[in-house]
Amino acid sequence: LAKTTQPISMDSYEGQEVNITCSHNNIATNDYITWYQQFPSQGPRFIIQGYKTKVTNEVASLFIPADRKSSTLSLPRVSLSDTAVYYCLVVALSGSARQLTFGSGTQLTVLP
Amino acid sequence: DVKVTQSSRYLVKRTGEKVFLECVQDMDHENMFWYRQDPGLGLRLIYFSYDVKMKEKGDIPEGYSVSREKKERFSLILESASTNQTSMYLCASSSFISIAGDTDTQYFGPGTRLTVL
Repeated sequence: LAKTTQPISMDSYEGQEVNITCSHNNIATNDYITWYQQFPSQGPRFIIQGYKTKVTNEVASLFIPADRKSSTLSLPRVSLSDTAVYYCLVVALSGSARQLTFGSGTQLTVLP
Repeated sequence: DVKVTQSSRYLVKRTGEKVFLECVQDMDHENMFWYRQDPGLGLRLIYFSYDVKMKEKGDIPEGYSVSREKKERFSLILESASTNQTSMYLCASSSFISIAGDTDTQYFGPGTRLTVL
């Protein structure tokens, strides 16, 4: 079962690029990585998902090196509204079964 | 737009009471999940279900049970609530995924903050 580790908190300024790294040292071949964003009093919201290399969508990029033992969520040009907790999730598949391992979350604070 | 609703935003119960938390999704998703969220521990999976009447234990199933009689509804049951079950409970749903894991976006409800006195 993959164990995920993330920094507890990060600060940034508006307009900067923010990179949040998640370590998942014992990730297995079929496991994949997902990132979620959570605002206070709301459920987490999907940001991006990937298996290897690089994935980009309209809000973020996800970088996964060849060994897949870590992944980095990249948020370009953050704004104050990006202040939230960001969770890394490793999903292990085995037929219809799955194991989901959320990281403990990274509190990102964007400062003006 | 996917909508996942939970029966209550806030709930206060006494030790020993039986507690039902209800979750309903409107996107015909096969998979449904129950998590609890505690400060410093992130989200921990309690149970999930990949089909009606099917259930699988997550990481912390002790003290909980679930019921999925209809596809759109997944209930979490605390048979005898205890103070250490005071927490935020989050329900999520997702569509069926392939082994390749092409897509498994989970859509979360707003959460139920349960306090057990």
